[in-house]
Amino acid sequence: GEDVEQSLFLSVREGDSSVINCTYTDSSSTYLYWYKQEPGAGLQLLTYIFSNMDMKQDQRLTVLLNKKDKHLSLRIADTQTGDSAIYFCAEKSGGSYIPTFGRGTSLIVHP
Amino acid sequence: NAGVTQTPKFQVLKTGQSMTLQCAQDMNHNSMYWYRQDPGMGLRLIYYSASEGTTDKGEVPNGYNVSRLNKREFSLRLESAAPSQTSVYFCASTSAGWDTQYFGPGTRLTVL
Repeated sequence: GEDVEQSLFLSVREGDSSVINCTYTDSSSTYLYWYKQEPGAGLQLLTYIFSNMDMKQDQRLTVLLNKKDKHLSLRIADTQTGDSAIYFCAEKSGGSYIPTFGRGTSLIVHP
Repeated sequence: NAGVTQTPKFQVLKTGQSMTLQCAQDMNHNSMYWYRQDPGMGLRLIYYSASEGTTDKGEVPNGYNVSRLNKREFSLRLESAAPSQTSVYFCASTSAGWDTQYFGPGTRLTVL
């Protein structure tokens, strides 16, 4: 089946930039998402990108898509302690009801 | 808008007991989903309902049943709980357009 891979942990210092990486296998992916899960809560959509886009910027968040390499990244500028959470990458093809999620990257921000 | 709501928030069961997890959404979404989340395993799809009146199995359906009661409500039933079903359960629904999923706050279930 289709797969989405992420590294499990990332540790950064407050004020630095964080880059969370994701690779996927489905060449028909149409929608690519980043979700954030804070402790004890459900997943919240952070941002999304269509497969025909290369980049999307939204305040401190920048999403880069390399469709050739099937690589998606999320950059968080000026990372704050409130950004500590689990970040999930997900993809979905246009004809499917079912997104495929990665296992999540735990971002730890230390002072 | 309350979004996606789930009840209960916490539950402890003994092996063999049954229970139903409730989920409701007030966003007029067609599709609804049940996931379980276990440490290191990410999210695994149990069942989904593409539209009112239909339900389909996901990746890990064994030991569960679902009912799409109406467009708003999608329940998950454990007929005979097992310790392997100790997990956090999330309900989600999907909007049209961007096809983004909206998640409930989760139910934390422990089976002893």
